[in-house]
Amino acid sequence: SQQGEEDPQALSIQEGENATMNCSYKTSINNLQWYRQNSGRGLVHLILIRSNEREKHSGRLRVTLDTSKKSSSLLITASRAADTASYFCATANTNAGKSTFGDGTTLTVKP
Amino acid sequence: GAVVSQHPSRVICKSGTSVKIECRSLDFQATTMFWYRQFPKQSLMLMATSNEGSKATYEQGVEKDKFLINHASLTLSTLTVTSAHPEDSSFYICSAKDRSSGANVLTFGAGSRLTVL
Repeated sequence: SQQGEEDPQALSIQEGENATMNCSYKTSINNLQWYRQNSGRGLVHLILIRSNEREKHSGRLRVTLDTSKKSSSLLITASRAADTASYFCATANTNAGKSTFGDGTTLTVKP
Repeated sequence: GAVVSQHPSRVICKSGTSVKIECRSLDFQATTMFWYRQFPKQSLMLMATSNEGSKATYEQGVEKDKFLINHASLTLSTLTVTSAHPEDSSFYICSAKDRSSGANVLTFGAGSRLTVL
């Protein structure tokens, strides 16, 4: 298994529902980031959580980090059709920029 | 906010030719840029780390003579796919880290879809 595995691989929900995606990793980290990718496009940074943080919020996004379990979750509340995209977690053991990306979760929000 | 411009967005070439992809940080300086390859419905695979003024660092299994990287300035890195073959067809994405930022936030280009006939 590779560093940064997301589950589920695919998630389909109705608009207005909450979406939860999980990420597990194997090695020690300095920080963990979540990114979003629309089909055929580059990635957009959503949120970064440091290893000494347990929870972070940004708008409708809530990220948790459990370093003892080497896992993180991304919650999108009150989802919208425009949230349809692939979501990747990425881990880094320094602030130098080199990150390892997970396999991603493809989220489909039905209007 | 930080913006990375990647060009071209799409390129089709004949087998055996070389293709250059540019990655520019528009409003920040990046001593380090990263090049990735992404297959359909898969994650990003880091190919190499591009360092301004020095040689790129390639990941294991990536042929440095096949994928030439040049990072001649603090705002530009280029990836040249040499003697391209159909198996090189893929989505290539670059990212850059703002040198003035202490956080590990990457800004990505929009990607370049290469099709080798």
